[in-house]
Amino acid sequence: GEDVEQSLFLSVREGDSSVINCTYTDSSSTYLYWYKQEPGAGLQLLTYIFSNMDMKQDQRLTVLLNKKDKHLSLRIADTQTGDSAIYFCAESPTRSGGYNKLIFGAGTRLAVHP
Amino acid sequence: EPEVTQTPSHQVTQMGQEVILRCVPISNHLYFYWYRQILGQKVEFLVSFYNNEISEKSEIFDDQFSVERPDGSNFTLKIRSTKLEDSAMYFCASSEHGADYNEQFFGPGTRLTVL
Repeated sequence: GEDVEQSLFLSVREGDSSVINCTYTDSSSTYLYWYKQEPGAGLQLLTYIFSNMDMKQDQRLTVLLNKKDKHLSLRIADTQTGDSAIYFCAESPTRSGGYNKLIFGAGTRLAVHP
Repeated sequence: EPEVTQTPSHQVTQMGQEVILRCVPISNHLYFYWYRQILGQKVEFLVSFYNNEISEKSEIFDDQFSVERPDGSNFTLKIRSTKLEDSAMYFCASSEHGADYNEQFFGPGTRLTVL
């Protein structure tokens, strides 16, 4: 089946690194995504990783993918108060004909404190 | 920067009433989606729409739900007879592509409250 699990809450001190973890079930997902939701706003694509990659770095963001364990993580270096938001992991199971829907986790609420 | 817009931001309705949630996707996008998030739960896929027809729908999307693209810009979700359990945040999304790399752009959501 299709399922994505992630922890619901993470609290970090400003300047520290944050690591948000996610597990997914569908190995057919070609791409895996991290979305960010700030209060009152929609989900915004933060980064993604292609399934044949182990790691992707994008400025302060590092995505690690362990395909064998179906485990995805998002590391935010030097976390700032502006990073406080809900982070959603999503898989996109491949289906014939395309039109890939996104399967989301419940979201991890990141709280950054001074 | 182009964005997906949704109206209204909050809709309150009585159980059994019909509601229409409206979305304006990004203008050059061809694929459209509705998702919902019940408070404290996961964001759930409802339906995808392409070329004026539904391409996939979830088990949640039963006969009470319908989608329409009435003109070249709007994309609507209708719930015919609302139930208490339809109370949720409804997100519209659109994408330029449908397969492989599929960046979906989301609207801010409509909070539906059914009393």
